[in-house]
Amino acid sequence: DGGITQSPKYLFRKEGQNVTLSCEQNLNHDAMYWYRQDPGQGLRLIYYSQIVNDFQKGDIAEGYSVSREKKESFPLTVTSAQKNPTAFYLCASSALGGNRGEKLFFGSGTQLSVL
Amino acid sequence: QKEVEQNSGPLSVPEGAIASLNCTYSDRGSQSFFWYRQYSGKSPELIMFIYSNGDKEDGRFTAQLNKASQYVSLLIRDSQPSDSATYLCAVNNRGSTLGRLYFGRGTQLTVWP
Repeated sequence: DGGITQSPKYLFRKEGQNVTLSCEQNLNHDAMYWYRQDPGQGLRLIYYSQIVNDFQKGDIAEGYSVSREKKESFPLTVTSAQKNPTAFYLCASSALGGNRGEKLFFGSGTQLSVL
Repeated sequence: QKEVEQNSGPLSVPEGAIASLNCTYSDRGSQSFFWYRQYSGKSPELIMFIYSNGDKEDGRFTAQLNKASQYVSLLIRDSQPSDSATYLCAVNNRGSTLGRLYFGRGTQLTVWP
């Protein structure tokens, strides 16, 4: 089945530690995104990538880093510089084309908490 | 500056009623509008999208778009307890990267038996 796989489902971070969230898709989508969701809040864009080896900052990129070495993979690293990392992290992908916003498909999410 | 506004709710309706969810947006050039359903602890799921003024129906769901009023709504007919979830409105702004969506905070809907 085609889809987006995020792992792990739950992740705990210690003070000063970097952690990496995995996102893999087999939908052959060009674009991938990372969103952060806090309780009672909408989704906020962290980073996005439209092609391999290229990515752009979203609205809240500080304290995060990404890479896009393969079309299928878009891992997110939460660095120690991110002082409030506790949130639900969602990876998404979309096909690109046409002149309208394309539909986003989401992975199952990773809940990150601070120990 | 907030891009997309939704009534946070909670909205509570009885089973079989019509649930009406509303969303306003700030960018007049917005072209694409989406409704996502999110169950507690789960990821958002796309349920409707609309590009043109007017109504678009899909089963029990109807999306309504009024670009002049910068308003998009979602109607759920014959509401079921399984419709209880948070509904997120998302908009693609003019000039934005394709797929770059702005989300509202969501409206929590409860359908009671």
